[in-house]
Parts: sequence; structure tokens; C-alpha cells
Amino acid sequence: KQEVTQIPAALSVPEGENLVLNCSFTDSAIYNLQWFRQDPGKGLTSLLLIQSSQREQTSGRLNASLDKSSGRSTLYIAASQPGDSATYLCAVQSGGATNKLIFGTGTLLAVQP
Amino acid sequence: SQTIHQWPATLVQPVGSPLSLECTVEGTSNPNLYWYRQAAGRGLQLLFYSIGIDQISSEVPQNLSASRPQDRQFILSSKKLLLSDSGFYLCAWNLGAGRTKGTEAFFGQGTRLTVV
Repeated sequence: KQEVTQIPAALSVPEGENLVLNCSFTDSAIYNLQWFRQDPGKGLTSLLLIQSSQREQTSGRLNASLDKSSGRSTLYIAASQPGDSATYLCAVQSGGATNKLIFGTGTLLAVQP
Repeated sequence: SQTIHQWPATLVQPVGSPLSLECTVEGTSNPNLYWYRQAAGRGLQLLFYSIGIDQISSEVPQNLSASRPQDRQFILSSKKLLLSDSGFYLCAWNLGAGRTKGTEAFFGQGTRLTVV
């Protein structure tokens, strides 16, 4: 059974700092890994999708890496801003025809001005 | 472009009352559809998924049911709500595996359900 873990559970950093969020999964037979952002009381916004054949994806100040063999992914946020404050969730996709996502419990990020 | 609509945004219902949450997707056809629940302080739990009309699978035993009467419509229901049904419900879609494996998932804005 696939299990996804995110470390740390919460993180507080001063504005401008670079930071790394970690995600690990137990079963390496995945189709892809997706990073999401969730603002309080809102739905999930897709940030980056890494296919299983890829090593990393970049979007603006965000860079996500994937090491499928070791079951790990990282989300790197450069030059953090207060607007980056949110919960960040990673999810792996696998499971035959269903393409369902298995989520980690998230990292709550607070960027202090 | 594709969009996903979910309503209502918030709902307060008494114990024992029925429930109907609706989700619709625009701009694509034959999507996979999902209902997730996010309880306070916990991760997202997959409740139901559907790979086609009237094809519903349940991930966990519960007081809820789901239906897909049309290709891009997904409904979450209950005949009698329990206090434990309170939570944040999210609808999501992605492309079916019949066309490609591993596609990006998109979520609605969620429904905050409080059972009192």
C-alpha cells in the first residue's frame, strides 16, 4: 500500500530565504508526482507535475525534483515571499486505470515579512 | 480550457438530514472524477472515484455515496448525515488512463460541510 510522508509538518522562515520541502513515498511504481498549494479554506492549486521518467520540473521560483528509485521528491522555493505562505501537498499517482492520487499530510509554510 | 465547478462552498446541515454536493467539469470529455475529504488536521482521504458514467468505486466504507449521471457531473450524497461527516470535501478530475497514464489532476474550490 502506497504511503506518502511530508517533512517537516510546519516551517517558518524569514522572507527572502530559500527553502526545501520534502516528500517521500514507499512504492516506487508511480506514474507521476504532483505538488499542490492549498490556501486556508480553499481548494488545491497544482504547482508542478513530474512524470516518472523525469528528474525535475521548474516553474518560476519553484523547482521540484524526483528520485523515483529512492522514493523521494523535493520542492525548492527560491527567495521566499509572504505570499508563499500556505500548505504544500505532494501526491503520487499510480494504480492501474484509475489514476488516483495518494496524498501526503502536507507542510504548513509561513514566510515572515 | 478546462474548469471544474463545485458547490455549494459552505453548508451547515443538521444530523440526520440528507446531503447533495455537486461537481461539474467543463472543457474535456470522459474525465476521471474523484471525491476527497479533508478532515481538520488530517490529509486528503479519497472517498470515491469514477472512470465513466455510472462507474463508481468506493475507497472506504462510509455513510456517503456517489453518482455520475452524466459524463462530467459527479455527485456526493448521503441519506442521513452524521456528525463525523463534517469536513472539507474536494472534487477533482484528470484524464483517464485509457488515453495516457499519469496526468495532471485539478481540484475544485471545495465545500466546507458542518454537521450540527
